[in-house]
Amino acid sequence: DTAVSQTPKYLVTQMGNDKSIKCEQNLGHDTMYWYKQDSKKFLKIMFSYNNKELIINETVPNRFSPKSPDKAHLNLHINSLELGDSAVYFCATTVWRGGYNEQFFGPGTRLTVL
Amino acid sequence: GEDVEQSLFLSVREGDSSVINCTYTDSSSTYLYWYKQEPGAGLQLLTYIFSNMDMKQDQRLTVLLNKKDKHLSLRIADTQTGDSAIYFCADSPSGNTGKLIFGQGTTLQVKP
Repeated sequence: DTAVSQTPKYLVTQMGNDKSIKCEQNLGHDTMYWYKQDSKKFLKIMFSYNNKELIINETVPNRFSPKSPDKAHLNLHINSLELGDSAVYFCATTVWRGGYNEQFFGPGTRLTVL
Repeated sequence: GEDVEQSLFLSVREGDSSVINCTYTDSSSTYLYWYKQEPGAGLQLLTYIFSNMDMKQDQRLTVLLNKKDKHLSLRIADTQTGDSAIYFCADSPSGNTGKLIFGQGTTLQVKP
């Protein structure tokens, strides 16, 4: 039973298109994240939601818009896709364990913009 | 701003020890983490250390923290081929958001 799932796993699209990536978690965690991992494996946080409320919004172009319809879902919509958006996008959740936090990552969505 | 740096690649022979190093800049970090990413998968928490500790041992893993030099290392004893993966160091800036700043990741290659 997958804890953090993402769809689709692969997404190939043309420049200028609009696309969405979906994330669902069944862990009951309050906080969810979107990360971008580039071709050099560098992993950078994009957004974080806590109980449907945006709490982290890094310097991400406003073509990227996250949406959290409920605590178990965090979707990422990208408008006017550019070549530089090609990356692996990871959704994650976090649980606090008496001080430290543990993040649980989804399997990733590999986005290729042609 | 916060920054975390790691060497990019390490190759060892099966049975040897591996040492992966990391430096960070944020002196307010309370916890530091090591995550493992296997091919085609997301990251998984491997271990963590509280900032007032110097060392933490967990089976084959030993984490050493030099807070003065802001240097963190992960030692894997008796490295196995199944340990081949990318290892990410991460720190947690102060605040309660759970935000993690990751290093670039160290690819560990274990040769039989």
